[in-house]
Amino acid sequence: GAVVSQHPSRVICKSGTSVKIECRSLDFQATTMFWYRQFPKQSLMLMATSNEGSKATYEQGVEKDKFLINHASLTLSTLTVTSAHPEDSSFYICSASSGQYNQPQHFGDGTRLSIL
Amino acid sequence: GQQLNQNPQSMFIQEGEDVSMNCTSSSIFNTWLWYKQDPGEGPVLLIALYKAGELTSNGRLTAQFGITRKDSFLNISASIPSDVGIYFCAGPNAGGTSYGKLTFGQGTILTVHP
Repeated sequence: GAVVSQHPSRVICKSGTSVKIECRSLDFQATTMFWYRQFPKQSLMLMATSNEGSKATYEQGVEKDKFLINHASLTLSTLTVTSAHPEDSSFYICSASSGQYNQPQHFGDGTRLSIL
Repeated sequence: GQQLNQNPQSMFIQEGEDVSMNCTSSSIFNTWLWYKQDPGEGPVLLIALYKAGELTSNGRLTAQFGITRKDSFLNISASIPSDVGIYFCAGPNAGGTSYGKLTFGQGTILTVHP
C-alpha cells in the first residue's frame, strides 16, 4: 500500500528555534500534500494544501509566514515552523495524494513538536 | 462550511463486543472515508466508500454509505484490544474528490477492556 514517511517523529527545542518537518511519499508521486495540526483528543485541523511546484494554499487563520511550506518535488514537502514558541507545540501530520481517481490521501506518522 | 457529526464521542467496551459508530452531515458527500489513528501515529485508511448504499467489509470492519449520502456507519465485530484508538470519518469538501481536501468528524475514541 501507499507509504508516506514523516521525519522527525519527535522534536524538542527551545523557544525561538525554527523547525523543519519533512513529508515524503515513498512509493507514489504526490501531486498534492496536506499539512494538519492536531491537539490531544481532537480532530485533525487542516493548515495548508501544498501542490508541487506552486505556492501552498493556507487555511483561514494559519499564518503563512509562520508556517513555511515547500513542495519542491513530487515526493517531498516540507513544513518549517519559524521562530517556534510554546503555543506552537502540537502534533503535526502530513498526508499525500497521487491525485488519481478514487485514491484517498495517505497519512504520515506525525511529528510531535514540543517547544520549551 | 461542511461539518461531519460523529457519534459517539467515546466508547468503553469489553473485548469481544461489537462496536458501532456513525457519521452524519447536513450536506451530501460523494465519498466517505473511515480512518483509525493509534496513539502517537497518523491516521490509517480503513475503508473507502464511493457509492450511495455501498456496504464494504475489511476483516472485522464493515462500513456503509448511507442511501441519502448524508451519513455513514462503521461497525467492528468481536473487538480485540488492538482496536483501541480514535476512529475518524472523513469526506471530501464540497465538489471535491477523495484525493482533495477533506472534512473530518470529531472522532470516536474507542477503549477496549480485556
